[in-house]
Amino acid sequence: DAGVIQSPRHEVTEMGQEVTLRCKPISGHNSLFWYRQTMMRGLELLIYFNNNVPIDDSGMPEDRFSAKMPNASFSTLKIQPSEPRDSAVYFCASSLGRGLAGHEQFFGPGTRLTVL
Amino acid sequence: EDQVTQSPEALRLQEGESSSLNCSYTVSGLRGLFWYRQDPGKGPEFLFTLYSAGEEKEKERLKATLTKKESFLHITAPKPEDSATYLCAVQEPGGGNKLTFGTGTQLKVEL
Repeated sequence: DAGVIQSPRHEVTEMGQEVTLRCKPISGHNSLFWYRQTMMRGLELLIYFNNNVPIDDSGMPEDRFSAKMPNASFSTLKIQPSEPRDSAVYFCASSLGRGLAGHEQFFGPGTRLTVL
Repeated sequence: EDQVTQSPEALRLQEGESSSLNCSYTVSGLRGLFWYRQDPGKGPEFLFTLYSAGEEKEKERLKATLTKKESFLHITAPKPEDSATYLCAVQEPGGGNKLTFGTGTQLKVEL
């Protein structure tokens, strides 16, 4: 399996522009997670989906952030409009998410976002 | 109050100098404790899951242990390639499938 795939790997944009990050989870995994990582705040959970349904979006910073999962093999995280404080590395992760075990999450390589 | 606290924040070891990293948690009814390794510029890489106090798991020079309040990641005779940031995370009861991560221990192993 190719693992979790994220694109783009790097994104540089100007303040006010729309940014869309993409993720393909591991085939067969039922849960998908979006994280943001910064030096100051570490790894923060933004939102997660079970079976394509958003379960917990309490970590989404504000209305400028939105996430969708139209099918089991694709998810997007959109920031509109982007601001310099959104600069961070964004990770997508997936897990089997079933039963007592199978909750270890497997991470993608991340998207490094820089908002100028 | 932080639910997951890792210590030390940074650790520098000589090659072959064994040590332990700590992850303490305040969650009651822990469903699972997870250890990850993160190299610069990469996503966290899964290492271990521990489910109950007394459980131990090993992989090469790493051994993870779990008590009711904390977990240790023991590194035996480390090598420079063990240098990375080590993260622990907990799965809470009633928290669904999400994990709460600590801020990590940055380990550097020198020749």
